[in-house]
Amino acid sequence: DAGVIQSPRHEVTEMGQEVTLRCKPISGHDYLFWYRQTMMRGLELLIYFNNNVPIDDSGMPEDRFSAKMPNASFSTLKIQPSEPRDSAVYFCASRGYGQGLTEAFFGQGTRLTVV
Amino acid sequence: GEDVEQSLFLSVREGDSSVINCTYTDSSSTYLYWYKQEPGAGLQLLTYIFSNMDMKQDQRLTVLLNKKDKHLSLRIADTQTGDSAIYFCAESKIGNEKLTFGTGTRLTIIP
Repeated sequence: DAGVIQSPRHEVTEMGQEVTLRCKPISGHDYLFWYRQTMMRGLELLIYFNNNVPIDDSGMPEDRFSAKMPNASFSTLKIQPSEPRDSAVYFCASRGYGQGLTEAFFGQGTRLTVV
Repeated sequence: GEDVEQSLFLSVREGDSSVINCTYTDSSSTYLYWYKQEPGAGLQLLTYIFSNMDMKQDQRLTVLLNKKDKHLSLRIADTQTGDSAIYFCAESKIGNEKLTFGTGTRLTIIP
């Protein structure tokens, strides 16, 4: 497996624009997580899914943020409208059950800059 | 709720041992992890320990867990320049598959 795949790797957008981040988890993993990393706040869990169903979205900062998982192999995180304070690295991670619950595998991240 | 804390920076001379510390608040934490993040990359699992263990050793890495004090440490023996990275402590528990991460400790190696 190629691991967790995120796209794009870098995104620069203007304030007010819609941004969509994409994630393909590792095949067979039941859990998918979206994290945001900033210097000030470290790694924050935004939302996670189990079997494509959102389980905990308490970390989603505002209504401007939304996440979907239409099937087991794809998830999106959307910000509309984007603001400069949304600038961060956004990570997707997935976990599954092998011999017990596996570790969380992370993608390379999407570095978002909102100007 | 869960809270995981780490110091932000650590500088160590090449060849010395590095000790990175972490404290957590949730006594029901079951799994405790150490992840490494190199510049421009995602997080990679280094090692983990179950809460019923006190110590785990894996080559240059030694994890110590003091469950009473809710204190976790990662010792890296013979620190090399390739060990420069941010190290994250994380916890999770049975029945709740999310991981809660600390702020990360940036390890700098002094030649």
